[in-house]
Amino acid sequence: DAGVIQSPRHEVTEMGQEVTLRCKPISGHNSLFWYRQTMMRGLELLIYFNNNVPIDDSGMPEDRFSAKMPNASFSTLKIQPSEPRDSAVYFCASSFRADGGGTQYFGPGTRLLVL
Amino acid sequence: QKEVEQNSGPLSVPEGAIASLNCTYSDRGSQSFFWYRQYSGKSPELIMSIYSNGDKEDGRFTAQLNKASQYVSLLIRDSQPSDSATYLCAVNGELIFGTGTRLQVFP
Repeated sequence: DAGVIQSPRHEVTEMGQEVTLRCKPISGHNSLFWYRQTMMRGLELLIYFNNNVPIDDSGMPEDRFSAKMPNASFSTLKIQPSEPRDSAVYFCASSFRADGGGTQYFGPGTRLLVL
Repeated sequence: QKEVEQNSGPLSVPEGAIASLNCTYSDRGSQSFFWYRQYSGKSPELIMSIYSNGDKEDGRFTAQLNKASQYVSLLIRDSQPSDSATYLCAVNGELIFGTGTRLQVFP
């Protein structure tokens, strides 16, 4: 299996622009997670899905962030409008267990820089 | 607010020594615990998971869990320079992560 796939790997944009991050989980996995990692705050859970349904989005910073999972093989995280404080590495992870537990496999991450 | 606490380090140990990494958590109801390793510029990868009190060994790695004291630790025996990384403690299915401990193993 190719593992969790994320795109783009790097994104540089200007403040106010829309940013869309994409994730393809491992085939057969039932849970998908979006994380954000910064030096100051470490690795933070933003949202996770079970069987394509959002379960917990309490980590989503504000209304500028939205996430979707239209099918079992694709998810997006959108930031509109982007701000410099959104600069971070965004990871997507997937897990076989539908309850969100068990081993999570992380994608390579998207490095976002908002100028 | 559920919290997971780790010493940020760096923890420096000589090659061949035992590295001991510790983590405490606030939610007494936590059931599952994980240690992830993250090399600089890379994504986290799972090293160990532990669900019951006591020790769990896997090669040079031993995870220890004490639910009464709400701590979990990771021991790395015969530390190698290639073990130099940040080690993240995580709790429960949705994975509340600690901020990580940076380990440096020097030759």
